[in-house]
Amino acid sequence: DVKVTQSSRYLVKRTGEKVFLECVQDMDHENMFWYRQDPGLGLRLIYFSYDVKMKEKGDIPEGYSVSREKKERFSLILESASTNQTSMYLCAARGRVGEKLFFGSGTQLSVL
Amino acid sequence: AQSVTQLGSHVSVSEGALVLLRCNYSSSVPPYLFWYVQYPNQGLQLLLKYTSAATLVKGINGFEAEFKKSETSFHLTKPSAHMSDAAEYFCAVSAYGGSQGNLIFGKGTKLSVKP
Repeated sequence: DVKVTQSSRYLVKRTGEKVFLECVQDMDHENMFWYRQDPGLGLRLIYFSYDVKMKEKGDIPEGYSVSREKKERFSLILESASTNQTSMYLCAARGRVGEKLFFGSGTQLSVL
Repeated sequence: AQSVTQLGSHVSVSEGALVLLRCNYSSSVPPYLFWYVQYPNQGLQLLLKYTSAATLVKGINGFEAEFKKSETSFHLTKPSAHMSDAAEYFCAVSAYGGSQGNLIFGKGTKLSVKP
């Protein structure tokens, strides 16, 4: 099975800080995704990437950017963290359309 | 455009009882449909998926789901609940043949299992 690794399980940052969330997959999957999970709201897509250096906005991209310089690594960047970005962030990878998503364990980010 | 509605944010059953988690979808094209499970402090993992091969789909841990086009439903069932089934369950839809086939997730249903 594909393994998706998120660099931090818990992260605490201050308002206004620049935050990097890292995600690495160990297979050659083209597609990678960043979701945000909040209680009662389910998973919402922030950004996705279907190839190196390619990115597309998801449903809630405001306040976020992404970077994909290598196929195995997909980074989520909070340019200036705000308290309303306190959330669980989930990275996922997938092969072709219709195949399953492989998820990382998540990063619980708290912005104080 | 696709959308997913999960009826009931919390479901509680007794151990050994039937589990029924409801999911209705909306899709303008034939969909892929998925059920994912999330155990505490973990990411999501796939339980089962529908890809038009058969309307009754069997998944892991004794779960199954039936695709009913006329009702636009994909409800998840398990005949006998186990304590280890306590988790949050997410239904998701993806466009069949869509450009990137991004998954749209429901808001989730938390399943509690009472001894």
